[in-house]
Amino acid sequence: SQQGEEDPQALSIQEGENATMNCSYKTSINNLQWYRQNSGRGLVHLILIRSNEREKHSGRLRVTLDTSKKSSSLLITASRAADTASYFCATPDNYGQNFVFGPGTRLSVLP
Amino acid sequence: GAGVSQSPSNKVTEKGKDVELRCDPISGHTALYWYRQSLGQGLEFLIYFQGNSAPDKSGLPSDRFSAERTGGSVSTLTIQRTQQEDSAVYLCASSLLYGVEQYFGPGTRLTVT
Repeated sequence: SQQGEEDPQALSIQEGENATMNCSYKTSINNLQWYRQNSGRGLVHLILIRSNEREKHSGRLRVTLDTSKKSSSLLITASRAADTASYFCATPDNYGQNFVFGPGTRLSVLP
Repeated sequence: GAGVSQSPSNKVTEKGKDVELRCDPISGHTALYWYRQSLGQGLEFLIYFQGNSAPDKSGLPSDRFSAERTGGSVSTLTIQRTQQEDSAVYLCASSLLYGVEQYFGPGTRLTVT
């Protein structure tokens, strides 16, 4: 079964608005990571949050982690057209054998 | 410094032929990962190396797929007797240790005709 699953599958917003994407996972984790993929730059790591952290910030990105609900959210504030991409959450399993990416959220930021 | 590189960037092959995909990780990264991504889909984890060893090969789709890593550096993913369903982008990534942030290569787009 899939470890990480994002929702919504697709999100369309206006430039300047905030975008929130959610990720759910099934098993215990050491950390959870968010990645961005667009046609120009490939897959890029955005932020890593450890299981003992509840919130983390990086520039316009804010990530939260709720281990009791096995969920995480990624908030992008003051979105820009350049934020248009697919966003994936990813979790390494605790056995060092697998790294699961969710199906992703396709974000479109309209100018 | 140099990032993760993959070659070839594109490969078109006939059904039944063997192909070899190459990945050069970032120097000093002990962990190396292979993924497959079909059009518009997420990433499918294939295999991971810690040094030259792959702890678990069960993610490989079939016994036509094999992978190796030598010298704790370059890795090759080999697909024997390619099938049309093997068509996808094959992505390689490396990280300093298993489980931390990964750096991805540009991928190899494989098309099996």
